[in-house]
Amino acid sequence: RKEVEQDPGPFNVPEGATVAFNCTYSNSASQSFFWYRQDCRKEPKLLMSVYSSGNEDGRFTAQLNRASQYISLLIRDSKLSDSATYLCVSLSGGSYIPTFGRGTSLIVHP
Amino acid sequence: DTAVSQTPKYLVTQMGNDKSIKCEQNLGHDTMYWYKQDSKKFLKIMFSYNNKELIINETVPNRFSPKSPDKAHLNLHINSLELGDSAVYFCASSQGGEGATQYFGPGTRLLVL
Repeated sequence: RKEVEQDPGPFNVPEGATVAFNCTYSNSASQSFFWYRQDCRKEPKLLMSVYSSGNEDGRFTAQLNRASQYISLLIRDSKLSDSATYLCVSLSGGSYIPTFGRGTSLIVHP
Repeated sequence: DTAVSQTPKYLVTQMGNDKSIKCEQNLGHDTMYWYKQDSKKFLKIMFSYNNKELIINETVPNRFSPKSPDKAHLNLHINSLELGDSAVYFCASSQGGEGATQYFGPGTRLLVL
């Protein structure tokens, strides 16, 4: 079965720390990748898309390594409000079928 | 201005009952989805409709049936509810194609007793 795998965590870090999550995907036909954020008892929301060249949005940096079939999310200067579950998503080429990972839980403490 | 809305938000019912969950999106998107998130938080896609045509049907029991009266609505009907159906059901929409962002509804928390 084609899957997206993530370390469920939880990652427990102090405010201001830098934390990185990895996600591996098994479907080599995957073309598009995303990171979603899901707060407790809320719906998932797009955090950022992941581009081949890597991309940055403020304190968040996403990287894609096609050769090793993994994507990463780096969060710098963690805030309490970053506490959430981060979901890795892949989308196969020419398909509307998104595959979600189980999510990585992040807890940022004072 | 709710982009994707679902009703009801909570649903508590007895085993064997039939229930429906409604979903509406006002984004003009051409693809809508239903997901199930179980107690382990694993988000699994159940169905997708594109231009009123079912294009995904994962290994979901046929007790579950999606119904799309128009492009803005994708309802989920569940027959003969079972205990294992208890979960959070999310509706989502996207414009389709590669790189399409999914917009999720707030979820419907279903508890089958």
